[in-house]
Amino acid sequence: AQSVSQHNHHVILSEAASLELGCNYSYGGTVNLFWYVQYPGQHLQLLLKYFSGDPLVKGIKGFEAEFIKSKFSFNLRKPSVQWSDTAEYFCAVKLVGDMRFGAGTRLTVKP
Amino acid sequence: GAGVSQSPSNKVTEKGKDVELRCDPISGHTALYWYRQSLGQGLEFLIYFQGNSAPDKSGLPSDRFSAERTGGSVSTLTIQRTQQEDSAVYLCASSLVGQGLNTEAFFGQGTRLTVV
Repeated sequence: AQSVSQHNHHVILSEAASLELGCNYSYGGTVNLFWYVQYPGQHLQLLLKYFSGDPLVKGIKGFEAEFIKSKFSFNLRKPSVQWSDTAEYFCAVKLVGDMRFGAGTRLTVKP
Repeated sequence: GAGVSQSPSNKVTEKGKDVELRCDPISGHTALYWYRQSLGQGLEFLIYFQGNSAPDKSGLPSDRFSAERTGGSVSTLTIQRTQQEDSAVYLCASSLVGQGLNTEAFFGQGTRLTVV
């Protein structure tokens, strides 16, 4: 089965700082890629997804991610974070039906 | 239904008892997933179903865990002889896969299991 690695366990930023969260996966075939967010006390919701086409995908709340096939990476970015972005972020890889998640990155944004 | 529904929302059980967790996926979704999220941990894959069959059961932590899905819809995750380390939030998700369609996974609110 494929595996998903998220490099950062806990990231602390000040408001207006730029964000980049790393995600790498192990499978070499055709995959679908996702970033999910879990705000405190809430359930997981989709931030953005990549199925095919333009490798730079834009999601909700100003987030974007770039799929780099040669690097097996799908990093999440946001130019300027807000306090309300404090949450846990999960990268996920889907191969046909099977879907696996990374360990998650906790983001804390200080006002 | 409109979303993925899990029941119960919370379950407190005594060590050694069996528990059943239920998941109602979004109507028409062919794939169904179970994950476990422990405090401060990521999403641990348990099992996924495509229709009623489970191609990969390797994520189930022990033989005390089992899952089934009937009618391509409702799924039940059963934990026998619960242990304290089974305490976690159990998440279910569903997605549409097949017939040229492929969607992201939609999550339920989870079942918080506490073994005392």
